Amino acid sequence: GAVVSQHPSWVICKSGTSVKIECRSLDFQATTMFWYRQFPKQSLMLMATSNEGSKATYEQGVEKDKFLINHASLTLSTLTVTSAHPEDSSFYICSAVVGWAGSGRPYLYNEQFFGPGTRLTVL
Amino acid sequence: QKEVEQDPGPLSVPEGAIVSLNCTYSNSAFQYFMWYRQYSRKGPELLMYTYSSGNKEDGRFTAQVDKSSKYISLFIRDSQPSDSATYLCAMSAEGAGNMLTFGGGTRLMVKP
Repeated sequence: GAVVSQHPSWVICKSGTSVKIECRSLDFQATTMFWYRQFPKQSLMLMATSNEGSKATYEQGVEKDKFLINHASLTLSTLTVTSAHPEDSSFYICSAVVGWAGSGRPYLYNEQFFGPGTRLTVL
Repeated sequence: QKEVEQDPGPLSVPEGAIVSLNCTYSNSAFQYFMWYRQYSRKGPELLMYTYSSGNKEDGRFTAQVDKSSKYISLFIRDSQPSDSATYLCAMSAEGAGNMLTFGGGTRLMVKP
């Protein structure tokens, strides 16, 4: 249980185009999802917190007009990188916190389940 | 100074060795402590979860938290090549709204 998927797993695009990355909770409802960015051999950098039905909260230094986040349902959040540039090339990872999963094991407070990540390369 | 410090490694050990991974932190409000394992080009997966101080054991893995020293450890016994990955410590404070603060990660290589 508590599986998170991301699509696409990798994408290559030209500079100036927009790219949308989807994050889905497959077997649970996620009231909160997080978007992270990870550079090679570095840790996760939190970009924004996404709550279903409300505007995302962006971390300091993250341009909200460039990284558009939409959390329209309890199982789907999307990150759109607008007018992508080579410096936006990175590994983007989402995570989700279980809001409700029906029957099954109790989930830990603050336990985040991560997607497999999306590698974005901007040429 | 970062809130959570972690030696980036890489740490290279022979198969069967005991591995010790550590993190230090500065925020005394942290109450929840986690270790995640991340394989190359994959998302992190939760390995160990501890609340407040103490030890927790799960198979070959033992997590220790010393809140007085603001120091947490992950021990891996009988290390295997399949343990080769990056290990991230993460922490959270009560009422932090599910947010985690991550360490920089330690890259571990277990050689057969």
